[in-house]
Amino acid sequence: DAKTTQPPSMDCAEGRAANLPCNHSTISGNEYVYWYRQIHSQGPQYIIHGLKNNETNEMASLIITEDRKSSTLILPHATLRDTAVYYCIVRVGTSYDKVIFGPGTSLSVIP
Amino acid sequence: GAVVSQHPSRVICKSGTSVKIECRSLDFQATTMFWYRQFPKQSLMLMATSNEGSKATYEQGVEKDKFLINHASLTLSTLTVTSAHPEDSSFYICSAQGDYLQYFGPGTRLTVL
Repeated sequence: DAKTTQPPSMDCAEGRAANLPCNHSTISGNEYVYWYRQIHSQGPQYIIHGLKNNETNEMASLIITEDRKSSTLILPHATLRDTAVYYCIVRVGTSYDKVIFGPGTSLSVIP
Repeated sequence: GAVVSQHPSRVICKSGTSVKIECRSLDFQATTMFWYRQFPKQSLMLMATSNEGSKATYEQGVEKDKFLINHASLTLSTLTVTSAHPEDSSFYICSAQGDYLQYFGPGTRLTVL
């Protein structure tokens, strides 16, 4: 079973920041938080990952709470092309553990 | 980033025939690859873990004799759907384990008539 819980759907106005929450209250000390997204009829695309510090790359920012039980993915300026299903996944970073997908959050960016 | 390809991107076949789907890691070697299936409006469901040079490990409820997996090299894994039926129609996605990320292929849309 997936180790995370996410809201099933969210809307965001184009140009605004999209904040996608994820709860992972049973995360272990050696597990990372990964975010992927899947645009309709495509394979999942890696976005970002982190262990305990906040992370930022060209796509998004990841904010992890101090107790590591939850995190937020931030898309700073959402565009229509960001409409997708976003998956929050926890797993050991360098292992060959299988990735188990939960239902994710369906983000709709509205013009 | 690393690239994973799948071939074909879509296939239509008659009921009772077998279909082979290829998954390739283009610029890295992958000891481990994974196969997923996704039905409309559902999340990805892991079918099996494919390890180079050894037998695949199937998830509970996945028929190993129906979904044959071969991982003969560090860059290629194949999934063969044997005696396909309409209920096997789905979106099949593979992924390959890189250094610390899993990289996903673009998916193969299988339609069984």
